[in-house]
Formats: sequence, C-alpha cells, structure tokens
Amino acid sequence: AQSVTQLGSHVSVSEGALVLLRCNYSSSVPPYLFWYVQYPNQGLQLLLKYTTGATLVKGINGFEAEFKKSETSFHLTKPSAHMSDAAEYFCAVSDNSGNTPLVFGKGTRLSVIA
Amino acid sequence: KAGVTQTPRYLIKTRGQQVTLSCSPISGHRSVSWYQQTPGQGLQFLFEYFSETQRNKGNFPGRFSGRQFSNSRSEMNVSTLELGDSALYLCASSLAVGQGAYEQYFGPGTRLTVT
Repeated sequence: AQSVTQLGSHVSVSEGALVLLRCNYSSSVPPYLFWYVQYPNQGLQLLLKYTTGATLVKGINGFEAEFKKSETSFHLTKPSAHMSDAAEYFCAVSDNSGNTPLVFGKGTRLSVIA
Repeated sequence: KAGVTQTPRYLIKTRGQQVTLSCSPISGHRSVSWYQQTPGQGLQFLFEYFSETQRNKGNFPGRFSGRQFSNSRSEMNVSTLELGDSALYLCASSLAVGQGAYEQYFGPGTRLTVT
C-alpha cells in the first residue's frame, strides 16, 4: 500500500523567494509520483509527474520536483515565487502499474507575501 | 475542448435524504473517477468507472454508489445522508483506466452541505 506525507500544512514565502514544498512517500513497489495544484473554487490541475527515467521532473508554471529514492522524497520547488502561485498543493502516489488509485497527501497551502 | 463539468455546483440537503451528483467528462475520455475532499480527511478516492464498469472502489460505505452511462457521463449517489458527508465532491476524467498511467482532468466539484 502507498501513502504520502506532506510536511507543513501551510507554507508562507515572499514574492521572489524560493518555494519548497515537501513530500515523502511510502510504497512497497516503485512508485509513480505526482504534484497537483488547486486554486480556490477549482478542481485539481496536474503540475508534473514522475514515472520512470530522469529523476528531475519539470512541470508547468516553472515548478520542478526531484525523485530521491534513497530519501523516499519528491519535493516540489520553484526558484522564484509569484503571487499567482498562491494555492493548495497536493502530492500523490500510485504504484508503477499506473492502475491503482492515486493516494493523495493532506495538502500544503502556499501563501505568497508581496 | 470543453473541460469536465459537474452539476450542480452547490447543494444543500438534510440528514437522511439522498443526493445524486453528475459529471460529464471531456469528450473522448472514457474513464471517470470520483473523490471526496474534506478539511479533515483530505482527498479520498471513491470509485473509478471505465466503459460503464466499476474498476476500482475506495473504502467508503455502501451508501455511496455510482454508475457510468454509455456516453461516459457518470453519476454518484449518496443515500441516507449524514452530517459527515458534507464535502467537495470532485470528478476527474481520463482517456483510459489507470489513474497513474493517464493524466486526470478534474472538474470544479460539487459542494455538498448536509444540515
């Protein structure tokens, strides 16, 4: 069975500062890993995903994440925060067949201060 | 291309009633998944349908049920509503079954309030 832990339910950064949202996973098999973003009153949107191959994954809106098997982590980063990045971010895991339901973390709310 | 649509967007029901929520997937998508989102439990998987068949089911009581029609549209039903069923219900569609293998596109959700 898979599980996801997102460290920090709320992260606050200044505009232009580095964004770092932490995600650790537990999986008995090689995982597929995902980051989703949810803006107020909207559904989720896929930011990026890791399946196989390159461990540094680039996504939309300047975000990227690195799969570190030894640390069972998949942290999300962005070099410079923008006001429009304020949203809730969810990390999710599936097994490497891609056929098991996604298991989501509890989410991290990102605030960007001007 | 139109996105995933969910109706209604907001709903208020009384304990003991039942409710039906509807989801229309993106044209050409044959898989529909449903999730419940609450502040306490986060996002929890309810079920996934593909070609009118339930392919996966989450850990929810039998009061929660769903179905998919031949045009891929899906409905979920909750009977005998409880206060704890108050949540945002999200629908997501994808080309085929396998939430990890195929990108899911989410609708805006239906906000259900049970009083």
